[in-house]
Amino acid sequence: QKEVEQNSGPLSVPEGAIASLNCTYSDRGSQSFFWYRQYSGKSPELIMSIYSNGDKEDGRFTAQLNKASQYVSLLIRDSQPSDSATYLCAVEAENSGYSTLTFGKGTMLLVSP
Amino acid sequence: GAGVSQSPRYKVAKRGQDVALRCDPISGHVSLFWYQQALGQGPEFLTYFQNEAQLDKSGLPSDRFFAERPEGSVSTLKIQRTQQEDSAVYLCASSLEWGATRNSNGYTFGSGTRLTVV
Repeated sequence: QKEVEQNSGPLSVPEGAIASLNCTYSDRGSQSFFWYRQYSGKSPELIMSIYSNGDKEDGRFTAQLNKASQYVSLLIRDSQPSDSATYLCAVEAENSGYSTLTFGKGTMLLVSP
Repeated sequence: GAGVSQSPRYKVAKRGQDVALRCDPISGHVSLFWYQQALGQGPEFLTYFQNEAQLDKSGLPSDRFFAERPEGSVSTLKIQRTQQEDSAVYLCASSLEWGATRNSNGYTFGSGTRLTVV
């Protein structure tokens, strides 16, 4: 059973601060890692993907991956109230000719003005 | 199409009624997933198609759930004799490729179908 664990939150940060979201996964064979943002009542929207150990930056977002520790994180710099949403960690593993994509339960982020 | 399209957007069913949920993926997308998302939870895997082949249906919660993608494009998720515990948002996601090493763009989700069983 592939598991993806996230702290459900809410994580509350003031506007302008750095928000740090964490995720651990159980399947060592996992190869691709995604962060999705989901606003209330909306569908998930891809914001970051990462495949190699280390950091990947895109604007205010930085994804960090440590495969040895089976840990992936998302940093949001200069947090804005519009960043308030649930952030879903998704892990893709390839097996037997297809991929599986497993989601965590999500961390709710609240950015206060 | 420009995105993944799901219909209906909302569905209210009486307990015991059969429902059919439609997903129209982005044209040419090989991989298609169905997920069930209960309130306050992350998406839970239901089933996976690679073109018309249903390669994994291990997440379907009971034999009342059935999915098909006969021509490798549009997919339908059917739920027979709906129960209250089936109330959830049903999400469809598709991708151009399959496989972690090839799938650089991740998966695109549709807007979902919110099913309420009364």
